[in-house]
Amino acid sequence: NAGVMQNPRHLVRRRGQEARLRCSPMKGHSHVYWYRQLPEEGLKFMVYLQKENIIDESGMPKERFSAEFPKEGPSILRIQQVVRGDSAAYFCASSPGPQGSEQYFGPGTRLTVT
Amino acid sequence: QKEVEQNSGPLSVPEGAIASLNCTYSDRGSQSFFWYRQYSGKSPELIMFIYSNGDKEDGRFTAQLNKASQYVSLLIRDSQPSDSATYLCAVNEGSYIPTFGRGTSLIVHP
Repeated sequence: NAGVMQNPRHLVRRRGQEARLRCSPMKGHSHVYWYRQLPEEGLKFMVYLQKENIIDESGMPKERFSAEFPKEGPSILRIQQVVRGDSAAYFCASSPGPQGSEQYFGPGTRLTVT
Repeated sequence: QKEVEQNSGPLSVPEGAIASLNCTYSDRGSQSFFWYRQYSGKSPELIMFIYSNGDKEDGRFTAQLNKASQYVSLLIRDSQPSDSATYLCAVNEGSYIPTFGRGTSLIVHP
């Protein structure tokens, strides 16, 4: 049973470009979470999605950031017009059920903005 | 504001000793509790989860939950240098979003 998959693993963008991060949950999981982590800091929740629905995006900046989880295909976190402060590790996690279920993390995407 | 507190460490223990990692939380309604291990530069890896008061054992790991005192701990028996990592505690009160602590750095020295 394949784990959570994320790609790309490393992404370099110049300021002002767009970054697209992809996440495929574990087989049978329909709940996806995105987190951001800066060096030496904790995980910061960004958004929680189920298939075709954004359930909670309270941790995601209102501007430049968006997320989707279409009926077919991976979940995508999109960052428009990236700035240096967007440089971080972005982790996706999936869970088998809703409230209170354990989460399984993907390997992450390291975004570097030059 | 839900809070999950962990001592940042580092906690240093000799190889073969028991490492004890602690976590306190503020929301009395919390229902599920998780421990993750994160190696430097890697993603968090689920080690254990616990829902009921008491102990839960899995190999060298034991999670202990005390809801009355609002703490959860992780014991690692026979610690190995490969256990050196940051350990994250996560708490969920039944909503969709768990609250993560900032982690405790564990160093197991030979």
